[in-house]
Amino acid sequence: EIVMTQSPATLSVSPGERATLSCRASQSIGSKLAWYQQKRGQAPRLLIFGASTRATGVPARFSGSGSGTEFTLTISSLRSEDFAVYYCQQYNNWPPITFGQGTRLDIK
Amino acid sequence: EVQLLESGGALAQPGGSLRLSCAASGFRFSTNVMHWVRQAQGKGLEWVSSISDTGLSRYYVDSVKGRFTVSRDNSKNTLYLQMDSLRAEDTAVYYCAKDRVPVVPGTGTFDNWGQGTVVTVSS
Repeated sequence: EIVMTQSPATLSVSPGERATLSCRASQSIGSKLAWYQQKRGQAPRLLIFGASTRATGVPARFSGSGSGTEFTLTISSLRSEDFAVYYCQQYNNWPPITFGQGTRLDIK
Repeated sequence: EVQLLESGGALAQPGGSLRLSCAASGFRFSTNVMHWVRQAQGKGLEWVSSISDTGLSRYYVDSVKGRFTVSRDNSKNTLYLQMDSLRAEDTAVYYCAKDRVPVVPGTGTFDNWGQGTVVTVSS
């Protein structure tokens, strides 16, 4: 099973600033990496797939990068609605599909 | 508009059974791989199961193999998860999710999610 590790567990950033979230895979997954946003009390929302392709309707301030085992989600200028928990997920040669433990993005 | 509506969550005793349903609308259900994902309170996301468009291929996380059965009725646009031999560690919100692309065996990414149904396993 591929283990996904996200860092940091919690990130505190001020509105308008840039946030950088990291995700590491225990083995190479190519570009088979997705990012999801989950707000309190809501279902997750797909943000990025293929490591860097934004899902339909996702604002351009969200960008993904990386390949192999190291991946990054960057939010270029944080807005109030961006404060949430973010999960990375690998889907290389699934099953199984595995998620990271999440990064909580808090308002500083 | 894609809609996924889960139901069937309840309080169950250890060793008991529940059947979850997910009613789908707004897309061609019969051509999409479908998934179940769960989330224990305050915890992260865990993929549980997936089923191909025809239902012939089914996949499970190791912790539920032999206890859970995923199925679908394409004539009713409904996805199911039969949960038997329930354990306390199965307590979670269960989400059904649609695969992003209508291809087999699916992409393994989830572009639409239901609101979830709560399963509690406790005596």
